[in-house]
Amino acid sequence: QVQLVESGGGVVQPGRSLRLSCAASGFTFTNYFIHWVRQAPGKGLEWLAFIPHNGNNKYYADSVQGRFIISRDNSKDTVYLQMNNLTTEDTAVYLCAREDNDFDIWGEGTMVTVSS
Amino acid sequence: QAGLTQPPSVSKGLRQTATLTCTGNSNNVDNQGAAWLQQHQGHPPKLLSYRNNNRPSGISERFSASRSGNTASLTISGLQPEDEADYYCSAWDSSLSAWVFGGGTKLTVL
Repeated sequence: QVQLVESGGGVVQPGRSLRLSCAASGFTFTNYFIHWVRQAPGKGLEWLAFIPHNGNNKYYADSVQGRFIISRDNSKDTVYLQMNNLTTEDTAVYLCAREDNDFDIWGEGTMVTVSS
Repeated sequence: QAGLTQPPSVSKGLRQTATLTCTGNSNNVDNQGAAWLQQHQGHPPKLLSYRNNNRPSGISERFSASRSGNTASLTISGLQPEDEADYYCSAWDSSLSAWVFGGGTKLTVL
């Protein structure tokens, strides 16, 4: 079935880095833009970044511009989010979402906790 | 980045009708409309309505979306206990070149 599965979350110290993965299945991966969205505990959704089909012209939220890098490997049907210089404010569930004009398919998310 | 504005909470009775609102500006909601997402506690969001106000396959006709200028609305008719959830609107902001979300509305079905 059509699905997205995130992985790579965990507990990390402030200032360190982490790379998240979003593995797609059940659809033609190269036809879609993929987004990363996060949700801090008890808070709302925050859009972070998206990457188009060919990996060019990526867009980022101001809050992560310069620290986070989105990329994709179309041979593996996977999108990545490289997160650098993490702070406690980055503690959240990180979800990837497929864009079919809007966010029509979501993964379950992976939890990232930034703590010393 | 400025987001969309949603009321934090709405409460309505069983089988009643709830209308949730989402206010943006000429660069987002008024430009391309807003999509609506439903999120139950502990679960990922689920798309209820595209920005063109069409429902994805499998979404009940009880959910209907509309827009007037800068404000998008989601109307849920015949409220059921399972409609109790958080509802978010989202839109592409052409000025920010970014997607923006509303802060979410917690719908309580009494």
